[in-house]
Amino acid sequence: NAGVTQTPKFRVLKTGQSMTLLCAQDMNHEYMYWYRQDPGMGLRLIHYSVGEGTTAKGEVPDGYNVSRLKKQNFLLGLESAAPSQTSVYFCASSYSSRGLNQPQHFGDGTRLSIL
Amino acid sequence: AQTVTQSQPEMSVQEAETVTLSCTYDTSENNYYLFWYKQPPSRQMILVIRQEAYKQQNATENRFSVNFQKAAKSFSLKISDSQLGDTAMYFCAFKDSNYQLIWGAGTKLIIKP
Repeated sequence: NAGVTQTPKFRVLKTGQSMTLLCAQDMNHEYMYWYRQDPGMGLRLIHYSVGEGTTAKGEVPDGYNVSRLKKQNFLLGLESAAPSQTSVYFCASSYSSRGLNQPQHFGDGTRLSIL
Repeated sequence: AQTVTQSQPEMSVQEAETVTLSCTYDTSENNYYLFWYKQPPSRQMILVIRQEAYKQQNATENRFSVNFQKAAKSFSLKISDSQLGDTAMYFCAFKDSNYQLIWGAGTKLIIKP
């Protein structure tokens, strides 16, 4: 049961470098999300997508871009990494949020360090 | 703005004891959902239990139950007969009509043998 798969699991970048985090889900979920988790704080929504070809900004979108070219994949890009983006990144997916009770299913996270 | 507050940064109890984690939230909406998620050291986020605001009956999942007080905007999680595997961070989350989850800062729960 793959569920939500994130790659890579760990990454160290230098300031100014760019990279892309990949999220893949095999549950045919319409909605996908990218969060960041910082010590002492709850998850904060970066961007989300309600379907293939659509994306929207969350609470903390600056410095990140996303794409949803295929329903099963949701990519998070850092154009020019900054130390403030050191965090653990989680991807999640869910069935259509027309039902409020739909829970989100999470990947195992990506630990990203920016030096 | 909607907010979720977990006032206990860390708690610890002996194995087999009962523990209650608190969560309060702020909203002006009438229909919403509340969730408790568990994050063990493996870092995976796991759904523990959920509650719909218009249901008065408290949700129960095996050893996990909630005390939902809508008027007080309180949503506490009770873990009965706690086990070592319950050691984890526990997050309370609120979902409103915008369909986005708003998260508390989490409570670190340690179950001691």
